[in-house]
Amino acid sequence: DTGVSQNPRHKITKRGQNVTFRCDPISEHNRLYWYRQTLGQGPEFLTYFQNEAQLEKSRLLSDRFSAERPKGSFSTLEIQRTEQGDSAMYLCASSSFNQPQHFGDGTRLSIL
Amino acid sequence: DQQVKQNSPSLSVQEGRISILNCDYTNSMFDYFLWYKKYPAEGPTFLISISSIKDKNEDGRFTVFLNKSAKHLSLHIVPSQPGDSAVYFCAASASAGGTSYGKLTFGQGTILTVHP
Repeated sequence: DTGVSQNPRHKITKRGQNVTFRCDPISEHNRLYWYRQTLGQGPEFLTYFQNEAQLEKSRLLSDRFSAERPKGSFSTLEIQRTEQGDSAMYLCASSSFNQPQHFGDGTRLSIL
Repeated sequence: DQQVKQNSPSLSVQEGRISILNCDYTNSMFDYFLWYKKYPAEGPTFLISISSIKDKNEDGRFTVFLNKSAKHLSLHIVPSQPGDSAVYFCAASASAGGTSYGKLTFGQGTILTVHP
């Protein structure tokens, strides 16, 4: 069990640029979740996948955000035309059926 | 609409004493509750959970109590150790798709400091 891996750990970009984050879940986990956390708040749910199917998306996920999990293994979260308000920690979690979610260490996004 | 609330931003406790962290929720659909611990620059780590059919769950030094009528849960850490110093998040889930653990709704977190 190598844990949930997220890359990069930190991304700095200029406003208006596109960014993509990657999450590698624990290998036997079929469920994968994305959350966003801002300073002083708890993580907020963005979206989740069961295998390759995206089953739920939060209203927080605007049209500029897209997530994929093409082969039911790793997942990517892309933000297009980044804005200042996108600055946050983006957390990925995975789980197997009826088990608690295990989180990665996150990708911190900073918008200049 | 904050469905899960941790009203104490911080808690300071002496080593060896009990730490009690509190959490309130408003959504009656929540039926699984979890506590996560988070160190700086790391992701949240699962600690303990409780189903709504129980009122207590214990794991070593950690005990979670659930009061459904009051929509309140608490985490007790006995005895507290300096290594327990971290941010503690309460989270709740409504069972869906046949699974007990779905998407999580988190509280704002409580910073616990345990002094030697």
